[in-house]
Amino acid sequence: AQKVTQAQTEISVVEKEDVTLDCVYETRDTTYYLFWYKQPPSGELVFLIRRNSFDEQNEISGRYSWNFQKSTSSFNFTITASQVVDSAVYFCALSEAVETSGSRLTFGEGTQLTVNP
Amino acid sequence: DTGVSQNPRHKITKRGQNVTFRCDPISEHNRLYWYRQTLGQGPEFLTYFQNEAQLEKSRLLSDRFSAERPKGSFSTLEIQRTEQGDSAMYLCASSPKPPGPYNEQFFGPGTRLTVL
Repeated sequence: AQKVTQAQTEISVVEKEDVTLDCVYETRDTTYYLFWYKQPPSGELVFLIRRNSFDEQNEISGRYSWNFQKSTSSFNFTITASQVVDSAVYFCALSEAVETSGSRLTFGEGTQLTVNP
Repeated sequence: DTGVSQNPRHKITKRGQNVTFRCDPISEHNRLYWYRQTLGQGPEFLTYFQNEAQLEKSRLLSDRFSAERPKGSFSTLEIQRTEQGDSAMYLCASSPKPPGPYNEQFFGPGTRLTVL
């Protein structure tokens, strides 16, 4: 069975601080996808990134960066120079990569990030 | 197309009543998913459609829940004889057909259900 663990329930930082959100996953599949979604107070889940299990290159997109380490089954998310608008709940998710299946997402419990001015 | 839409955004009902939610996916997406999210938790998978066929259902989907997707376009989720434990946010998502990024799911704003 697939499982995603986000051990940090809540994180509070001051604006301009860097913050890392941890994600650890479990799966028996050799091919899978990992995701991060952002859920602002409005409630709509916003897709941030998708990585497949064969691509362990770290990725940077503006102030966001992701560190995928297959050896430790982790897919951590770092926000550099955080801003108040980054305040949201962030979810890590996992899906298998079979074209004929539903590719259901298994989510972690989320990390509430609060960035204070 | 502006994305996945869901109606209503909020629904308050009394225990025992039936409710129905609607989801309109992104027009070119043939896969549609329903998830449920309770307070402080991540979304949990309920069911999945490919076109009009319902291909997978979670054990969370009790007999009181039914979902349809006639003609492979919009979908409805009905809950019969609602219980207070059904109070949650119901999220709909859609994704493209393979070989596109078929597991990149785009979510709607959700329908928040409150059962009194």
